[in-house]
Amino acid sequence: GAVVSQHPSWVICKSGTSVKIECRSLDFQATTMFWYRQFPKQSLMLMATSNEGSKATYEQGVEKDKFLINHASLTLSTLTVTSAHPEDSSFYICSARDFGGSYNSPLHFGNGTRLTVT
Amino acid sequence: KNEVEQSPQNLTAQEGEFITINCSYSVGISALHWLQQHPGGGIVSLFMLSSGKKKHGRLIATINIQEKHSSLHITASHPRDSAVYICAVPRMNRDDKIIFGKGTRLHILP
Repeated sequence: GAVVSQHPSWVICKSGTSVKIECRSLDFQATTMFWYRQFPKQSLMLMATSNEGSKATYEQGVEKDKFLINHASLTLSTLTVTSAHPEDSSFYICSARDFGGSYNSPLHFGNGTRLTVT
Repeated sequence: KNEVEQSPQNLTAQEGEFITINCSYSVGISALHWLQQHPGGGIVSLFMLSSGKKKHGRLIATINIQEKHSSLHITASHPRDSAVYICAVPRMNRDDKIIFGKGTRLHILP
C-alpha cells in the first residue's frame, strides 16, 4: 500500500530555534498533503493544507509565519516550526492524498513527529 | 454537538472478546474512514467505506448511510489490537476537509 514517510520521528530543541519536519510520499505522487497537530488524548487538528507548487492554505488561528509549509515537489512537503517555544511542543503528523485523488480517496499518514521545545 | 461522535471513549476488554466501536455523524458524507493510531502515534487507515460492510482479517466495518452510523468490530481481540481507533469523514461541501472523531482508546488485557 501507499507509504508516507515522516522525519524526524522525534526532536528536542531549544526555545528560539527552528525545526523542520519532512513528509514524503514514497510510492505515489501527492498533490495535496495535510499537516495536523495533536495534543495528548485529543483528536487531530488540521493546521494547513499543502498543495504542490502553490501556497499552503492555513486553518483559522494557525500562524503562517510560525508554521512555514513548503510543498516543492509531488513527493515532499515540509513544515518548519520557526522560533519554537515550549507551547509548540506537540505531536505533528502529515497525511497525503494520491495525485488526482478526491476527498474520498484513501488517507495515508506519516508516523508523526513528537516535538519537545525546552 | 460534534459533527462526528464516537463511543465509547475508552474500552478495556479481555483477550478474545468481541469489540464494537460506534461512530455517528451529522454531516452529509459519501465515505467514512476508520483509522488506527498506535501507541507511538503512527496512524494506519483500516477501512474506507461508503455502504454496507467490509471485512479485513478480524476487523469488520459497517455503515448505515440513512442512519448516519458506522461500527467497527474486532473479533477474537488480542492485546496487539490495543490502540486508538478513529472515525473520520470528509465533508461533502468542503473539499479536502476531514472531520475526525475524538477516538476510542482500546485496551485488550492478556
